Amino acid sequence: ETGVTQTPRHLVMGMTNKKSLKCEQHLGHNAMYWYKQSAKKPLELMFVYSLEERVENNSVPSRFSPECPNSSHLFLHLHTLQPEDSALYLCASSSTQGTEAFFGQGTRLTVV
Amino acid sequence: GIQVEQSPPDLILQEGANSTLRCNFSDSVNNLQWFHQNPWGQLINLFYIPSGTKQNGRLSATTVATERYSLLYISSSQTTDSGVYFCAVANTGTASKLTFGTGTRLQVTL
Repeated sequence: ETGVTQTPRHLVMGMTNKKSLKCEQHLGHNAMYWYKQSAKKPLELMFVYSLEERVENNSVPSRFSPECPNSSHLFLHLHTLQPEDSALYLCASSSTQGTEAFFGQGTRLTVV
Repeated sequence: GIQVEQSPPDLILQEGANSTLRCNFSDSVNNLQWFHQNPWGQLINLFYIPSGTKQNGRLSATTVATERYSLLYISSSQTTDSGVYFCAVANTGTASKLTFGTGTRLQVTL
């Protein structure tokens, strides 16, 4: 098993759909993150969960809703997205002490 | 927030050549990582190096924290080294809230 696993790897959704991205880590970490990578823009931090509590929300629109039910799982619930939300969404995990972060393979999302 | 600049933005090398990638950051950091993004989008960890020097095979990295820069050296480059190299830093006390640079796109040709 890889350290951080994301599903699905690819997702195409309409603007009225609701879908969820899933992330699972097997590294014993207790902090998890969602990042967004759009074309021609640097990777942007979206959400941070530390010990299952959300500690950061970087002005992300409410159509993105994160959930962290336990230290091993992280979800990103999507609803009424816009075409400009099409991007690569990456999940990461680390210890809360700020050491090395590890990333999943990413979910490539296309909103049509 | 902290600013991260990488140079050069693009680099084309012939197989076997050496290269140096640079990362400058605007504030003190307690985490600095180098990643290689493969064509499928996955970020592969290369180094966790908030200070000092590390080597792993043909790759090595040096971070001079007092002068706010890090260097990634690639020696005897191979076509499989192609891709985008990212530097990312964090300067917060808890959790690895990374700020990424814009990357260096490397193409290694035969």
